[in-house]
Amino acid sequence: GAGVSQSPRYKVTKRGQDVALRCDPISGHVSLYWYRQALGQGPEFLTYFNYEAQQDKSGLPNDRFSAERPEGSISTLTIQRTEQRDSAMYRCASSLETQGAWRNTEAFFGQGTRLTVV
Amino acid sequence: GQQVMQIPQYQHVQEGEDFTTYCNSSTTLSNIQWYKQRPGGHPVFLIQLVKSGEVKKQKRLTFQFGEAKKNSSLHITATQTTDVGTYFCAGLREYGNKLVFGAGTILRVKS
Repeated sequence: GAGVSQSPRYKVTKRGQDVALRCDPISGHVSLYWYRQALGQGPEFLTYFNYEAQQDKSGLPNDRFSAERPEGSISTLTIQRTEQRDSAMYRCASSLETQGAWRNTEAFFGQGTRLTVV
Repeated sequence: GQQVMQIPQYQHVQEGEDFTTYCNSSTTLSNIQWYKQRPGGHPVFLIQLVKSGEVKKQKRLTFQFGEAKKNSSLHITATQTTDVGTYFCAGLREYGNKLVFGAGTILRVKS
């Protein structure tokens, strides 16, 4: 597609339910990132993929959070047993190349998924 | 872990005045990127700085990367109402691929 596509745009779920957030990056982009953004804050790093390999998951808050990118394209962020504190905007971004000092690694962000846990 | 701090948190200027936001990292960075997020929108890439002491300009915007590659600034000359939004810096640490964002500076411009 023309840009990074995230679905759903809005998700309201009951506490304790599992949710799956989807990210469809720009075609051909190698790197894919997941961020969480609270209102008035900067994007908080969650995890990062190069192709299908999860390179860094140090930002995932706990083991209820997981992500995959099995074919190196679409990625899914799954939150199990959701809690109210999980409510936030979840953003996906992709870049053509892997990160590196001398590479042009502009990250293109999707519109995000607004998750509300009630 | 790596932290990227940004100041000020918020700035309200009169149209035509200048604006500067500062970014400071706790660790040496490989490169630094700047993004702009309009209200209700998503972050949009502005520029990437790589070299120590690098200065880049985009029309009224001037970006600097510190000599020690731990700090950066964005300066806007003669602000316009179209400059309204939140400006984020994002640092890539020397080893690894984690792009860490600052908390952002919210810019409001009075016409």
